[in-house]
Amino acid sequence: EPEVTQTPSHQVTQMGQEVILRCVPISNHLYFYWYRQILGQKVEFLVSFYNNEISEKSEIFDDQFSVERPDGSNFTLKIRSTKLEDSAMYFCAGGRGYQETQYFGPGTRLLVL
Amino acid sequence: DAKTTQPTSMDCAEGRAANLPCNHSTISGNEYVYWYRQIHSQGPQYIIHGLKNNETNEMASLIITEDRKSSTLILPHATLRDTAVYYCIVRGVNFGNEKLTFGTGTRLTIIP
Repeated sequence: EPEVTQTPSHQVTQMGQEVILRCVPISNHLYFYWYRQILGQKVEFLVSFYNNEISEKSEIFDDQFSVERPDGSNFTLKIRSTKLEDSAMYFCAGGRGYQETQYFGPGTRLLVL
Repeated sequence: DAKTTQPTSMDCAEGRAANLPCNHSTISGNEYVYWYRQIHSQGPQYIIHGLKNNETNEMASLIITEDRKSSTLILPHATLRDTAVYYCIVRGVNFGNEKLTFGTGTRLTIIP
């Protein structure tokens, strides 16, 4: 059964550095999402992406964040200048349609020092 | 904010049916009820969803009340691997508003 994959599984970075989190969605999925979960807190929606455009974003998704689907297979989340409070698990998800079930990847644990 | 209310925690004996309730009294007519679970800090795992009819798959059954204001997820024969946080989520299906809004869920512990 196809799965969403994410790399790296863990990332440690210094405050102010740029990070890129990568996701490979299931091949027939067209709608893509990023969520994050700060340790001990709820899973929070960041952004949804379809047809190379952001379709919805949350207040968390400010100018420091960007998403891209550079090559038709990878889906990336970039944080330009990381802050301590960006430390969290970041989950990629995808679905065949906006009405369809979203399937999540295993997550990337980001630690900003 | 999440539009659902769930108990904070529940215990269930291994091999018994686990029944997880969820209240969603403000659900709209075109909103679905979705259930996910999260084991430790792994990615949320889809379990089942429904609109108004009861649903069953290989993992679980979903019972939705006739007024749609509440539902129950049933794991028919719970195993230790079913220990997880279970999230009941009401989800819109309009383009640009299909995000999942997670609450705090129910922490289900399966007891040997």
